[in-house]
Amino acid sequence: GQNIDQPTEMTATEGAIVQINCTYQTSGFNGLFWYQQHAGEAPTFLSYNVLDGLEEKGRFSSFLSRSKGYSYLLLKELQMKDSASYLCAVRDDSNYQLIWGAGTKLIIKP
Amino acid sequence: DGGITQSPKYLFRKEGQNVTLSCEQNLNHDAMYWYRQDPGQGLRLIYYSQIVNDFQKGDIAEGYSVSREKKESFPLTVTSAQKNPTAFYLCASRKQGYSNQPQHFGDGTRLSIL
Repeated sequence: GQNIDQPTEMTATEGAIVQINCTYQTSGFNGLFWYQQHAGEAPTFLSYNVLDGLEEKGRFSSFLSRSKGYSYLLLKELQMKDSASYLCAVRDDSNYQLIWGAGTKLIIKP
Repeated sequence: DGGITQSPKYLFRKEGQNVTLSCEQNLNHDAMYWYRQDPGQGLRLIYYSQIVNDFQKGDIAEGYSVSREKKESFPLTVTSAQKNPTAFYLCASRKQGYSNQPQHFGDGTRLSIL
């Protein structure tokens, strides 16, 4: 079956670093996306990985290991505005649609 | 500015009533999607369309209907057959042909039962 697992909730301190993990079991793989979603708002795109390794974009980095079915999103120099849910989604190469994890709610404390 | 517009932001449905959620995009994207988001669950695909006048059922299409008469518009009707319609509905669009292109989302419609 198709399954994507993320921790339900994480807490971190302003200025610190946090790593949000995502593991997936899907019948096919054609890329992994990370999105940020503030409460009651639309998800916004953060990063895309299709090859193994690390992609860096400012304070945010995303890593992928296809052999392990694993990705993480790394957030550095945390700011209060980073309090949001972070959604992991895998594109299935059988129909090219996204399979979504339930999201990780990140709480930033001063 | 280009983007996706969903309306209304809040919608209330009475028993036995059909309601229609609007989604319009001016990004010139071919593909459009409707998702349902419930607390504690991932986004679930209701319907998607990759070209005008064509659409496919997603994982939870029962009780919903769509049309794609124009490239810019992909309205979703929640019919009375959908017995548990209370949710946050998100519309998205995507540029086809490039695997790294993400889906772009509208601001959502929150549907509740009266």
